[in-house]
Amino acid sequence: GESVGLHLPTLSVQEGDNSIINCAYSNSASDYFIWYKQESGKGPQFIIDIRSNMDKRQGQRVTVLLNKTVKHLSLQIAATQPGDSAVYFCAETMTYGQNFVFGPGTRLSVLP
Amino acid sequence: DTAVSQTPKYLVTQMGNDKSIKCEQNLGHDTMYWYKQDSKKFLKIMFSYNNKELIINETVPNRFSPKSPDKAHLNLHINSLELGDSAVYFCASSQELRQLLNEQFFGPGTRLTVL
Repeated sequence: GESVGLHLPTLSVQEGDNSIINCAYSNSASDYFIWYKQESGKGPQFIIDIRSNMDKRQGQRVTVLLNKTVKHLSLQIAATQPGDSAVYFCAETMTYGQNFVFGPGTRLSVLP
Repeated sequence: DTAVSQTPKYLVTQMGNDKSIKCEQNLGHDTMYWYKQDSKKFLKIMFSYNNKELIINETVPNRFSPKSPDKAHLNLHINSLELGDSAVYFCASSQELRQLLNEQFFGPGTRLTVL
């Protein structure tokens, strides 16, 4: 399940199940979005990106969905593995914009 | 080969000191960045820099300054360190600022602890 509060939101899933991590972005003018994975003690690492002219993009075991109407992104991970345990960030920017704005992050814990 | 590297990995220092964190990228990228990640994992841009312009997040105190000796390096200097500066600092690089694809590659981070 997912918990939100003073601490980093955490999503706990059983190994082998599918995971869905959600993100609400802030700027309706943003048209380029990236999901990053940050493992403990490491820097964020690119997973998948999507442009605003698409509503879905698939990678290897990952799918990103974009709903511009409600400014919502989701990252779906199929058949979640222990190595997927990390903090996941969505980031938004405008094409030709200056910088990415990162969301608050969600910690994914994969239970054996 | 390490794409974006930072030194040191850990930095422990006293309040009031001046310190620097070094960053190097071997990707041939034109733009480099510094981010601060607080204890709640919130990532916030501090600077973006290429050889043409420096963009500063207006919330960053002027005790923080980036220094770029060449395109492959962007060091972060911090003067008069304060307790609230304790965080993990990430360097990143991308091919170009304001480009169609602007994926950023991050370094491993430097954990700064101010006592």
